[in-house]
Amino acid sequence: DTEVTQTPKHLVMGMTNKKSLKCEQHMGHRAMYWYKQKAKKPPELMFVYSYEKLSINESVPSRFSPECPNSSLLNLHLHALQPEDSALYLCASSLIVSGSGTEAFFGQGTRLTVV
Amino acid sequence: KNEVEQSPQNLTAQEGEFITINCSYSVGISALHWLQQHPGGGIVSLFMLSSGKKKHGRLIATINIQEKHSSLHITASHPRDSAVYICAVRFPGAQKLVFGQGTRLTINP
Repeated sequence: DTEVTQTPKHLVMGMTNKKSLKCEQHMGHRAMYWYKQKAKKPPELMFVYSYEKLSINESVPSRFSPECPNSSLLNLHLHALQPEDSALYLCASSLIVSGSGTEAFFGQGTRLTVV
Repeated sequence: KNEVEQSPQNLTAQEGEFITINCSYSVGISALHWLQQHPGGGIVSLFMLSSGKKKHGRLIATINIQEKHSSLHITASHPRDSAVYICAVRFPGAQKLVFGQGTRLTINP
C-alpha cells in the first residue's frame, strides 16, 4: 500500500463552521505534512509532524489546528475560516523528515471552499 | 528569490514529441523530486534523485550535482502527459521541500 488517503475530497463550509480534514497512510511513515495550494501556485508548507510530534508550524493562523493522534493518521481541524482560505489542502508523508528515506508521497487533496 | 527555478513555465507540444523540462537550484541539496499534478488533482511523485539518472517507462530524470541542474524528459509524449510538472528540492538537514513554480505541459493530439 503506497497510498496517502485524504477525506473528504471536496468540502464547502461557512465561516462559522467547524470541520476537519483527515489524512491516512499505512506505509509506516513517521513524517507527515500539511500543504496548502492556491490555483496555479506551488504547494505551501503548513505543518510537519515527526514521530507524532509537531515539528514545524509555518506561522499558520490558529484557525487551522493540526492533530496527529497516531503514526498513521493526521487531521487538520478548521474553525472560523475566511474565504481566502479556500484552496486545495494536500497531505503528504515520508519515511522520516530528513536524510535518506525522505521521498514524499502525496494524497489527492481536499478542495476546500469557504463561503 | 526562489531558490528553485524551473523552465519553461509553459510548454505546448504535439503528440510524439520529445519533451525536456529543466530545474536549477542555488546551493547543494540532499535530494531532488520531480512531481506531477493533473488539473484539480493531487500530486504524484515521479522521481527522487540525489545523483545520476533514473528511468520509468517514458520518463527519464537526470541530475548534475556540480552544475546544480536537473532535467525531466518525456519520450513519445501523449496527451495524457498534459499536467503541471513540479521540481522540489530538499536542502541538507532540512525538514521541508522547496518547490519550483511548476511547468504547465500541454500535449496536443
